[in-house]
Order: sequence, then C-alpha cells, then structure tokens
Amino acid sequence: GAVVSQHPSRVICKSGTSVKIECRSLDFQATTMFWYRQFPKQSLMLMATSNEGSKATYEQGVEKDKFLINHASLTLSTLTVTSAHPEDSSFYICSARGTGGADYGYTFGSGTRLTVV
Amino acid sequence: DAKTTQPPSMDCAEGRAANLPCNHSTISGNEYVYWYRQIHSQGPQYIIHGLKNNETNEMASLIITEDRKSSTLILPHATLRDTAVYYCIVGPSSNTGKLIFGQGTTLQVKP
Repeated sequence: GAVVSQHPSRVICKSGTSVKIECRSLDFQATTMFWYRQFPKQSLMLMATSNEGSKATYEQGVEKDKFLINHASLTLSTLTVTSAHPEDSSFYICSARGTGGADYGYTFGSGTRLTVV
Repeated sequence: DAKTTQPPSMDCAEGRAANLPCNHSTISGNEYVYWYRQIHSQGPQYIIHGLKNNETNEMASLIITEDRKSSTLILPHATLRDTAVYYCIVGPSSNTGKLIFGQGTTLQVKP
C-alpha cells in the first residue's frame, strides 16, 4: 500500500531557531501534499497544500513566511518552521495522495512532535 | 469548516460490532465520504471511503444512505486496539482536493 514517511518523528529546538520536517512518498508519486498541525486534544488543522513545482497554498491565518513549504519533487515535500517559538510546539503531520495506481485515499505520515524550548 | 457531524464519544464492548454514525447533509454529488482513525500520537490511518455504494474491506464496512446525507462505519468485531479517534470526512474526488477534519468520535473499546 501507499506509504508516506515523515522525518524526524520528534525534535526539540531552541526558541529562535529553524526546524525542517521532511515528508516523502515512498512508493508513489504525489503531485500534491498537505501539511497539518495538531494541538493536544484537538483535531488536525490544515495549514497548507503543497504543489510540486509551484508555490504552496496556505490556509487563512497561517503565516507563509513562518512556515516555509518546498515541494521540489514528486516524492518530497518539506516544511520549515522558521524562528520557532514555544507556541509553535505542536504535532505536525503531512499527507499525500498519489497520481495513479491503487486508490487508498489520502495517506498520512506518522507525524513530527515539535517542542520549542 | 468541516462538513460532517459526529458524536464526540462512544463506547463499545470488545468483540461486539462498533457502529459509528456520521451526518453529512450538505455533501455534493461528486464528494466522497472518507473514514480515518487516529491512535494517540500517530498520524491518521486510512480505513475506508465511498461515494454512493456501500463498501467493505478487511478493516470495516461503510454504509451510506441512499440520499447520501449520512453514513455509518462498522467495525464488525471491535478489539482494544480499535480504541482511537475516528474521523468522518467529506472530500473531493480529485487528487489535489484537501481533507478538512472535524472533531471526530472518540471510540473507547472496553474489555
């Protein structure tokens, strides 16, 4: 089945630094990937839609200059949290849907727990 | 905004069928019904999806009403490992459409 690999699974960084999270589709090509954020005891909130070879589309209220998204290939999208602050601490999850093959719906990564200290 | 309504929580006895309802009265003709579940601190796991017909796979069955305004996810023999938050999502058929999550149903399977 379709697999999305997300790395790292956990990261702790100091306030003011930047953190990069990678999302890879392992056995299928994904022209579109999605980035979500989840705070404790809340549902997933869509942050942005990542399009291969073009700029990401951000949801209302999400700062595009703070959450940099790059989708350089059909199998890799990255989310960089710039100048991270404690309020950015959250669970970040990526998702992808293939362009063809078996239709498993949207496949999600295992998530990245970001803690900013 | 999410287009679905689900009960916030449900209990189910281990070994019994778990029936999770979902209302999606504003669903459009080309929108699918997706079900995902999320176990604590993990990414959502795909369960099943459908358009009009009932669907069954190795994990669950999806029953969609004829008017498509509601659906039910059925876990035929719930186990303790099925304890999770279950999300019913109305989503597009295109590969670029996005999924918007609602609050989901927390299913607690009890021994």
